Amino acid sequence: QVQLVESGGGVVQPGRSLRLSCAASGFTFRSYGMHWVRQAPGKGLEWVAVISNDGSNTHYADSVKGRFTISRDTSRNTLSLQMNSLRTADTAVYYCAKDGGWSGYDFKDVWGRGTTVTVSS
Amino acid sequence: QSVVTQPPSASGTPGRRVTISCSGSSSNIGRNTVNWYQQLPGTAPKLLIYSNNERPSGVPDRFSGSKSGTSASLAISGLQSEDEADYYCETWDDSLNGWVFGGGTKLTVL
Repeated sequence: QVQLVESGGGVVQPGRSLRLSCAASGFTFRSYGMHWVRQAPGKGLEWVAVISNDGSNTHYADSVKGRFTISRDTSRNTLSLQMNSLRTADTAVYYCAKDGGWSGYDFKDVWGRGTTVTVSS
Repeated sequence: QSVVTQPPSASGTPGRRVTISCSGSSSNIGRNTVNWYQQLPGTAPKLLIYSNNERPSGVPDRFSGSKSGTSASLAISGLQSEDEADYYCETWDDSLNGWVFGGGTKLTVL
């Protein structure tokens, strides 16, 4: 079945880096845009970044622009999020989500269970 | 503070109908379609409505969506206890060049 499994979360100090991964299975990964969405403790959903099916087009939320980089490896069916210069405000559960289309402009029809990132000294 | 606004809470009794609003502007809802997600306690979000009023396979027809101008609504009829969850609207914003979620509405079934 269609599945997304995130990994790489953990506790990290402010200013340090962390790399999240999302393993995709059960669908043709190269055909769909992919997203990262996060949710701070007790808060609502916040979209983080999107990448098109071929990786040629990316967009970021203003809150992470210049610090986070989304990428994908089609050969390994894996989505990644490189997070640099982490701040306490980046503490959240990070979800990987599949887009309904190739561009990333449609909707998020499959979600992973999330991985928790805690930024604290 | 999101650019797309939802009421923080809503409630209804079993069997009744409840609506949740989502208010935006010409740069987001006014130009783009709206999606809705349901998040049950302790779980990942689930797509409920896409492209304003389309239901994914498996979503009961008790759930419906609509859009008019710069606002959208989610309606839930025949309310059930298992509908108690957080509901989020989402749309693309042309000015921000990114996706925006509403702040979320916590639905309580009385």
